[in-house]
Amino acid sequence: DSGVTQTPKHLITATGQRVTLRCSPRSGDLSVYWYQQSLDQGLQFLIQYYNGEERAKGNILERFSAQQFPDLHSELNLSSLELGDSALYFCASSVGPRPPLHFGNGTRLTVT
Amino acid sequence: AQKVTQAQTEISVVEKEDVTLDCVYETRDTTYYLFWYKQPPSGELVFLIRRNSFDEQNEISGRYSWNFQKSTSSFNFTITASQVVDSAVYFCALSGWGETNQAGTALIFGKGTTLSVSS
Repeated sequence: DSGVTQTPKHLITATGQRVTLRCSPRSGDLSVYWYQQSLDQGLQFLIQYYNGEERAKGNILERFSAQQFPDLHSELNLSSLELGDSALYFCASSVGPRPPLHFGNGTRLTVT
Repeated sequence: AQKVTQAQTEISVVEKEDVTLDCVYETRDTTYYLFWYKQPPSGELVFLIRRNSFDEQNEISGRYSWNFQKSTSSFNFTITASQVVDSAVYFCALSGWGETNQAGTALIFGKGTTLSVSS
């Protein structure tokens, strides 16, 4: 158990909808990262927060947004969902602003 | 730009065989870190090792060993006497110092190598 908690484990929704994925980092970790894993794109970095502030951005679509709250948990919001957004979304955390990262078990999103 | 290439998409071996997973990276950062992660069929990502760019000493941990060669930008992973439980997808990843890319210090992953070990 990595200590990173992601909810929900599975999510099934329809195209055009909006969903929120939640992540609680390991106790003491200040950085939260979001990754998307799909068969064709592999593991893609989306965004990183460190102690509440956005620190780095990867291939995150404009339809996606994230934030890190004062208690350090993070949420990833995905809107206007498309079939291609179906993927496994991982949250990871680290103590400081740098890896190694400890990953949660992921949220499997299916868009129908 | 940063990039990690794992040229081997799939490898199949029989138990007790040794197997090497290749990883080649690109970065303009002078300081960086390299990682290996394992993703078993259950889906979680498990951290295996981190090396920094100034430490080219090879590392051994049980049946696992890693060979870092800066001259060839490679960070290869060898499993000795493979076991069925080693069956997984293995990812090599790179983290820069944040000097030269938008992704900052985030991990950039290769596409992964699927290792299948049969009994």
